[in-house]
Amino acid sequence: DTAVSQTPKYLVTQMGNDKSIKCEQNLGHDTMYWYKQDSKKFLKIMFSYNNKELIINETVPNRFSPKSPDKAHLNLHINSLELGDSAVYFCASSQDPRSGEQFFGPGTRLTVL
Amino acid sequence: GESVGLHLPTLSVQEGDNSIINCAYSNSASDYFIWYKQESGKGPQFIIDIRSNMDKRQGQRVTVLLNKTVKHLSLQIAATQPGDSAVYFCAENTSGTYKYIFGTGTRLKVLA
Repeated sequence: DTAVSQTPKYLVTQMGNDKSIKCEQNLGHDTMYWYKQDSKKFLKIMFSYNNKELIINETVPNRFSPKSPDKAHLNLHINSLELGDSAVYFCASSQDPRSGEQFFGPGTRLTVL
Repeated sequence: GESVGLHLPTLSVQEGDNSIINCAYSNSASDYFIWYKQESGKGPQFIIDIRSNMDKRQGQRVTVLLNKTVKHLSLQIAATQPGDSAVYFCAENTSGTYKYIFGTGTRLKVLA
């Protein structure tokens, strides 16, 4: 069983479109995260939820909106996609917000044309 | 402050040799550090962590060294194997905050 799963794995879309990425974890963790990794492999936190509550909200355009329907799911919706949004987006989870051992999903490679 | 995007440094090591991957962290208030390994096409994977009350911690074939004076962290991999080829990231955290700041990463290439 995959611990942290994301769908889709690849997403190719046109500028201006709206898209969503879904994430699910079956580890029973309380905390989930979204990271963005750019072409130079730089990994940056975007959001984090703990028990469905937002606890990290980095300086991210408000076109990005996370949603956590329950503890096991954290989705990322992106409106009006721009070329600069092209990146690999990783979902992760951890036992609690203070745990450094985060379990990452396989990533979603988003390409905006 | 946070790192900006830089050219990914590469370390090439002969199979069987020891590898040392270095990381300079940015915040003197950081007191918890983690090393992650990211294989091609996969998400990062936790390797080992260390708190600031320690200066060395050992795992299986890996050792992390922490020098708080110069804000430097290193990951030593003993008897490097082809499966160790990956990008390695250090991450730092400050107690009382939930954010982990990742370093720029180092690509490790293991030569046969």
